[in-house]
Amino acid sequence: EPEVTQTPSHQVTQMGQEVILRCVPISNHLYFYWYRQILGQKVEFLVSFYNNEISEKSEIFDDQFSVERPDGSNFTLKIRSTKLEDSAMYFCASSGWRERSDTQYFGPGTRLTVL
Amino acid sequence: AQTVTQSQPEMSVQEAETVTLSCTYDTSESDYYLFWYKQPPSRQMILVIRQEAYKQQNATENRFSVNFQKAAKSFSLKISDSQLGDAAMYFCAYRSASSGGSNYKLTFGKGTLLTVNP
Repeated sequence: EPEVTQTPSHQVTQMGQEVILRCVPISNHLYFYWYRQILGQKVEFLVSFYNNEISEKSEIFDDQFSVERPDGSNFTLKIRSTKLEDSAMYFCASSGWRERSDTQYFGPGTRLTVL
Repeated sequence: AQTVTQSQPEMSVQEAETVTLSCTYDTSESDYYLFWYKQPPSRQMILVIRQEAYKQQNATENRFSVNFQKAAKSFSLKISDSQLGDAAMYFCAYRSASSGGSNYKLTFGKGTLLTVNP
């Protein structure tokens, strides 16, 4: 069964450094998402991406964040200058083309630790 | 903005018994989707079950079923014959069904931690 994959599984970085989190969505899916979950809290929407552009973003997704689909398979989240409060689990998700029956399938997540 | 409320931070159930997790939501939309996701200790988000708001029939997936009460904006999850592997955090989530490519984000509740006792 197709699945969403994410790399790395765990990323440790110093405050102020740039990180890139990578995701490979399910093949033939068209909608891509990033969510984050701070330890012990609920899952929060960051951004959705469709047709090579951001379709919606939350107030969390400020200028420090960017997303890209550099080729036909990868979907990346970049944090330009990490802050301590960026430490969280980051989930990528994807969904297919049928608007009224789509379900978002999640990857295993990347645990980001900012020191 | 839509909100999702899970009023039970923790629940426990004996193995083989039945447990119901509660979820309520607030929306002004008439068409939407509701989901239950399971997050085991590995922290991966696994889809358990989903419900389309325009369908009156409650969704079922093997031992998992929902009680969808649209007028009351309630969407509870029932787990029958609970197994040790069901122990996890369970999240209720809402997604708009409006067209246009936006508003497809999931809005999650805070989760219910389910413990299954042997």
